[in-house]
Amino acid sequence: AQSVAQPEDQVNVAEGNPLTVKCTYSVSGNPYLFWYVQYPNRGLQFLLKYITGDNLVKGSYGFEAEFNKSQTSFHLKKPSALVSDSALYFCAVRDRAGNTGKLIFGQGTTLQVKP
Amino acid sequence: GAGVSQTPSNKVTEKGKYVELRCDPISGHTALYWYRQSLGQGPEFLIYFQGTGAADDSGLPNDRFFAVRPEGSVSTLKIQRTERGDSAVYLCASSLDYGTDTQYFGPGTRLTVL
Repeated sequence: AQSVAQPEDQVNVAEGNPLTVKCTYSVSGNPYLFWYVQYPNRGLQFLLKYITGDNLVKGSYGFEAEFNKSQTSFHLKKPSALVSDSALYFCAVRDRAGNTGKLIFGQGTTLQVKP
Repeated sequence: GAGVSQTPSNKVTEKGKYVELRCDPISGHTALYWYRQSLGQGPEFLIYFQGTGAADDSGLPNDRFFAVRPEGSVSTLKIQRTERGDSAVYLCASSLDYGTDTQYFGPGTRLTVL
């Protein structure tokens, strides 16, 4: 069965420091991987995705993520955190096989950036 | 351009009542998805439409839940005989196609069943 794990409920980081939000996945085949961000009382906003090619993916707002097939991970990173990055982050996976775009989401990680 | 819109933004109903939730996808998007997000959880897939047909409804929890997309654009999620456990935020998303295309989400409908 497909699954996504975000092992940290919350990540705390000081403004200006680098941040990492962890994600590991389990799928039967090769995955498509996504990161979304959710601000309070708002829908999910797309940040970035890995489909194929370069393992380092760059996305919106200075975020990037690295696909690591051997570790089945897709950690989200940013070199210098902003207070405005504080939000709820979701990792999601889609199996390449099958006639469906169904995304499987992790439980989410709350990022708190302190001034 | 306009994003995915959902109406109503909030719906409060009583146990046993029938509710309809509406989703207007981004113009030109052929794929449409419904997810349900309970408090403190990630979104859970309910159903996916490609055009007018439901290509995958494996996430619908039981036969009280039904969704339609009669003209391949607007979709309605229908819940019969609502239960308190149905309380959640219902999210709609659309994409150009089902493959590698990004799913863009609406703001959601918060359903509260009293």
